[in-house]
Amino acid sequence: QKEVEQNSGPLSVPEGAIASLNCTYSDRGSQSFFWYRQYSGKSPELIMSIYSNGDKEDGRFTAQLNKASQYVSLLIRDSQPSDSATYLCAAHNDYKLSFGAGTTVTVRA
Amino acid sequence: DADVTQTPRNRITKTGKRIMLECSQTKGHDRMYWYRQDPGLGLRLIYYSFDVKDINKGEISDGYSVSRQAQAKFSLSLESAIPNQTALYFCATSDRIGDTQYFGPGTRLTVL
Repeated sequence: QKEVEQNSGPLSVPEGAIASLNCTYSDRGSQSFFWYRQYSGKSPELIMSIYSNGDKEDGRFTAQLNKASQYVSLLIRDSQPSDSATYLCAAHNDYKLSFGAGTTVTVRA
Repeated sequence: DADVTQTPRNRITKTGKRIMLECSQTKGHDRMYWYRQDPGLGLRLIYYSFDVKDINKGEISDGYSVSRQAQAKFSLSLESAIPNQTALYFCATSDRIGDTQYFGPGTRLTVL
């Protein structure tokens, strides 16, 4: 079992819609969680970090964490073509970040 | 200027050659990491270093070695490159708390 699992996608959403990305993790010792955005051929760029159960909002992005269910999600509201990218979920425990394989999102005009 | 830089950005080499990838950072972070990324497999940790004298193997260190020349510099070497080391390689840094990592632009390595 991978430490971090994500919807394989790809996920296609119309412009202006909500994109919903899901992630589960296996290590209950994980304390902090991250969403990175990666454009094709580019490096991962941090979008959100979340440490406590509940929701965290930053602009059009909302991260949700449920430690009991070992579940993290990312909502992208009012999706724009510039949001088309691969989104990586990561969980931190002890010394390392474990990454999911990523979900590719395409926002169609 | 970028906080984390990697050189070279692209490299094509032949099987059996030795190659070094370099990473420098101006963020003042203690911790540095090397990852490789393959399609469908996500990012996998090769080596990590918490300071100049502390270097540790990650999940896929076979065939790789590293050197931490200074707080700001961390190099990855492939002693004898093989085709399945063809991948995108990223360097990352984090501060002493160590959870949020910041990535360099990447090196695309092709081994023929």
